[in-house]
Amino acid sequence: KQEVTQIPAALSVPEGENLVLNCSFTDSAIYNLQWFRQDPGKGLTSLLLIQSSQREQTSGRLNASLDKSSGRSTLYIAASQPGDSATYLCATGPGNNDMRFGAGTRLTVKP
Amino acid sequence: DVKVTQSSRYLVKRTGEKVFLECVQDMDHENMFWYRQDPGLGLRLIYFSYDVKMKEKGDIPEGYSVSREKKERFSLILESASTNQTSMYLCASSRGGPDTQYFGPGTRLTVL
Repeated sequence: KQEVTQIPAALSVPEGENLVLNCSFTDSAIYNLQWFRQDPGKGLTSLLLIQSSQREQTSGRLNASLDKSSGRSTLYIAASQPGDSATYLCATGPGNNDMRFGAGTRLTVKP
Repeated sequence: DVKVTQSSRYLVKRTGEKVFLECVQDMDHENMFWYRQDPGLGLRLIYFSYDVKMKEKGDIPEGYSVSREKKERFSLILESASTNQTSMYLCASSRGGPDTQYFGPGTRLTVL
């Protein structure tokens, strides 16, 4: 059964810093890997989706990479802003109907 | 824009009550999902549906049932609410194939 781990559980950085969030998974037979953002008390918003055949995806200041062989994905956020403060979750699995979510990394960007 | 709506943002019920949580999506998606989210445990799948009247159990279906009579609507039912079902409930939908899941705003349920 796929297990998804995100470390650290919380991260605090000053505004403007570049940062990396980590996601690891135990089973490399994945369909895709997704990164989501969740604001307090809200639902999840999709940020990036990497197909299993891809190595990375980019959207604006966000870049996500995927290394299936090592069971890792990273989310790189460039020039962080206070508005980036949220919890970031990764999810992956053998199919789109069988996704496993990490517990998330709570990011705080201080002005 | 895909829109997934949930019937309530906050709900307070008493132990033993029957509870209905409703989810509606407006993008003609085949797949719909119900998750619960608890601190430190992340999201856990309760049930999902890949078509009208079709359903599959997720990781934690005990104490829950679902109904999908129309493509756009997926209901989660707590037959007899218990305090350990106090949680944030999130609904999601997706197209078939390699598509992301689109989430609703969540319902925070408290069972007293």
